[in-house]
Amino acid sequence: GNSVTQMEGPVTLSEEAFLTINCTYTATGYPSLFWYVQYPGEGLQLLLKATKADDKGSNKGFEATYRKETTSFHLEKGSVQVSDSAVYFCALIHRVGNQFYFGTGTSLTVIP
Amino acid sequence: DTAVSQTPKYLVTQMGNDKSIKCEQNLGHDTMYWYKQDSKKFLKIMFSYNNKELIINETVPNRFSPKSPDKAHLNLHINSLELGDSAVYFCASSRETGGSGGYTFGSGTRLTVV
Repeated sequence: GNSVTQMEGPVTLSEEAFLTINCTYTATGYPSLFWYVQYPGEGLQLLLKATKADDKGSNKGFEATYRKETTSFHLEKGSVQVSDSAVYFCALIHRVGNQFYFGTGTSLTVIP
Repeated sequence: DTAVSQTPKYLVTQMGNDKSIKCEQNLGHDTMYWYKQDSKKFLKIMFSYNNKELIINETVPNRFSPKSPDKAHLNLHINSLELGDSAVYFCASSRETGGSGGYTFGSGTRLTVV
């Protein structure tokens, strides 16, 4: 079946540190891949997406590349800020079944 | 204007009560969803409607009943509330079934059953 696995949190980084949050997926065919961000007390917001292999999604300094060979979609940012503190969800949508599959979320705290 | 709006934002109620959560989207999207987020932040789909028709109905207790009067609204009614129903409930919408372009989420309704 389809599933998403992301690294366990919580993750704590100092400001300006490099961020990687790992995400791997299991799916047949070619799903679309997403990262969503949830700031404290708010709903989920789409951060970036990629719809086919080798696509790179990017937004607000965050990047993720759709790697079919490793079935991964790792989230990276070169220099995190305190305002990036949030929970990050990796997700996939598969056209067969038409359902979103979310990872368990990774909590990130950035300290000054 | 808020794209996907849910009301109420907070709901505290006693066990055994019946309550409703409302959701409206002004994006012109065809598909709407209800998700439940537990205390560990795990998101689980509950229901999906496309143009007022139910298309996904995951294994949830039949105390939960969605209602879609039109494609811009998807309400969630819960009968005989239990302690385990305490969670944050998110409404979402997408342009098409499956949401390959991504979802737009509401800001959530935090339900606390005491």
